[in-house]
Amino acid sequence: GQQLNQSPQSMFIQEGEDVSMNCTSSSIFNTWLWYKQDPGEGPVLLIALYKAGELTSNGRLTAQFGITRKDSFLNISASIPSDVGIYFCAGQYGQLTFGSGTQLTVLP
Amino acid sequence: EAEVAQSPRYKITEKSQAVAFWCDPISGHATLYWYRQILGQGPELLVQFQDESVVDDSQLPKDRFSAERLKGVDSTLKIQPAELGDSAMYLCASSQGQGDNSPLHFGNGTRLTVT
Repeated sequence: GQQLNQSPQSMFIQEGEDVSMNCTSSSIFNTWLWYKQDPGEGPVLLIALYKAGELTSNGRLTAQFGITRKDSFLNISASIPSDVGIYFCAGQYGQLTFGSGTQLTVLP
Repeated sequence: EAEVAQSPRYKITEKSQAVAFWCDPISGHATLYWYRQILGQGPELLVQFQDESVVDDSQLPKDRFSAERLKGVDSTLKIQPAELGDSAMYLCASSQGQGDNSPLHFGNGTRLTVT
């Protein structure tokens, strides 16, 4: 089946810093999605990307759909404490496949 | 903003018992999904419905798991008998369509603990 490699697995950053995480795959996808999950909650959709090369922003978040359709990255600028959580990438080609998540910790 | 509703939020059951989870998708969303998420991992698809029909249940352990969406709106996922390895978060999601341009929206899940 399709697999996504998400990195890094975890990150510790200072408040105010920028952070970047990415997902790669050997398979192509038609859609890339980025979700954030807080403890005990369901994943919340942050950004959806539908076209290769697309660059989309949502406030301090920016994500790109890789030109090869096999990768995507998410950037968070000027991190704040409420950015803490687990970020998942997900690629869709028929079925939706999730990465293993990036645990983000923001230090005051 | 419309949400996917799930209940119960938490469930503790003994192994070999039956357990059921309920999901009410966002109004108007024809496609409904059940996912299982083991701690520290991403969600994995169990079953997908389009209206009342099962589209994909290839990853559903059918010897003990069953899912239904009789009227094409809300859905129930059942496990009988539960096993220790079934302890996980069970997430329901819905989307307007089943194409790759219909993003999934998730509920807050049911945390199952099997003892």
